[in-house]
Amino acid sequence: DADVTQTPRNRITKTGKRIMLECSQTKGHDRMYWYRQDPGLGLRLIYYSFDVKDINKGEISDGYSVSRQAQAKFSLSLESAIPNQTALYFCATSDPPAGGQETQYFGPGTRLLVL
Amino acid sequence: GENVEQHPSTLSVQEGDSAVIKCTYSDSASNYFPWYKQELGKRPQLIIDIRSNVGEKKDQRIAVTLNKTAKHFSLHITETQPEDSAVYFCAARRGTSYGKLTFGQGTILTVHP
Repeated sequence: DADVTQTPRNRITKTGKRIMLECSQTKGHDRMYWYRQDPGLGLRLIYYSFDVKDINKGEISDGYSVSRQAQAKFSLSLESAIPNQTALYFCATSDPPAGGQETQYFGPGTRLLVL
Repeated sequence: GENVEQHPSTLSVQEGDSAVIKCTYSDSASNYFPWYKQELGKRPQLIIDIRSNVGEKKDQRIAVTLNKTAKHFSLHITETQPEDSAVYFCAARRGTSYGKLTFGQGTILTVHP
């Protein structure tokens, strides 16, 4: 879905470096999410935001921070990267549920390697 | 918090066979259960979902069933095709926690021609 984009798509960094992953969307959705995907662990929620002034921790927020610069932009930062943050990171967006149903639209993912 | 367990982790079937993936959840307040499909190198995409007021939902060759008493739900794919090969994730959401999906660990489905 080209409406949700992530930059960079691949990144190699060293332990201790600060890095930022960016997500942009043109779907007009208020809700945005950051997940990480690890083999055998599925998708785990890092942070989520329901509007520009709303930021919430997910199940694995330690070592991460986020910024919601605008409705369309949601950035994930690793203040001091460590090797176990090596993973595939997905951004996602959604509208508020309609009748209980809520589709999340994922970006293409950012593959991060921390050496 | 919610915990979702998904089985099996890998599933191999012959083209034309059926495939079943099962998930159990821990929070009895969960009331929304989507399934996402992730093809190799691609992003996850919603393929079907079910709410807790429904026991079964079908969409062509895929169906989802829900047993609220036992707290488990399953994805059924009939007449499998090679293009069904992908990783499938189940998820659960508590009724008051819109947006906060808890995903299962994923099932790698391989359909052999």
